[in-house]
Amino acid sequence: DQQVKQNSPSLSVQEGRISILNCDYTNSMFDYFLWYKKYPAEGPTFLISISSIKDKNEDGRFTVFLNKSAKHLSLHIVPSQPGDSAVYFCAASALQGAQKLVFGQGTRLTINP
Amino acid sequence: DTAVSQTPKYLVTQMGNDKSIKCEQNLGHDTMYWYKQDSKKFLKIMFSYNNKELIINETVPNRFSPKSPDKAHLNLHINSLELGDSAVYFCASAQGPWNEQYFGPGTRLTVT
Repeated sequence: DQQVKQNSPSLSVQEGRISILNCDYTNSMFDYFLWYKKYPAEGPTFLISISSIKDKNEDGRFTVFLNKSAKHLSLHIVPSQPGDSAVYFCAASALQGAQKLVFGQGTRLTINP
Repeated sequence: DTAVSQTPKYLVTQMGNDKSIKCEQNLGHDTMYWYKQDSKKFLKIMFSYNNKELIINETVPNRFSPKSPDKAHLNLHINSLELGDSAVYFCASAQGPWNEQYFGPGTRLTVT
């Protein structure tokens, strides 16, 4: 039962342009969402998060948008840089009760020079 | 200074053996986790400890047993290893159960 889905396994973007990574979820109890970035042979690194009381959160080049009615969130990276090439995981949890992060299967982002 | 460390990084062993993976965090966090990343790349939570107390125990075979000797350590012991246990296992820690998690580099377990 995939409660968090990232339907694009890979994405290729030119350096300097905008990268948009998408994530959908099915569990309406989720109210806290995170994006993690993972390089090969390393663990995931926390990037940015958003709670359901907001529809946007920005941190430098990274912005996460949340559309609760559509159960959809997206991560925008602008401008994209070669160092952004990595696998990006979307994760969700319900703040009530013990926090269990449910992860999507990841999207591999490649930034082309 | 490594925040969350795991040993070993690679582990190759035969079916039926018992093995342990160690995790240590030097962030002063109260909560620690074990995740399994399977062949389809999904990261799934297995266990979580908060202040040495088990707070999350997902549907994991009894062959897997976590042990937290203190807040900075969460080890994973696996008995009678099976082929399906082959995966990458990640340890993570967080300040509390509702804070962002910091992951270790992973342990790639291969059961032959």
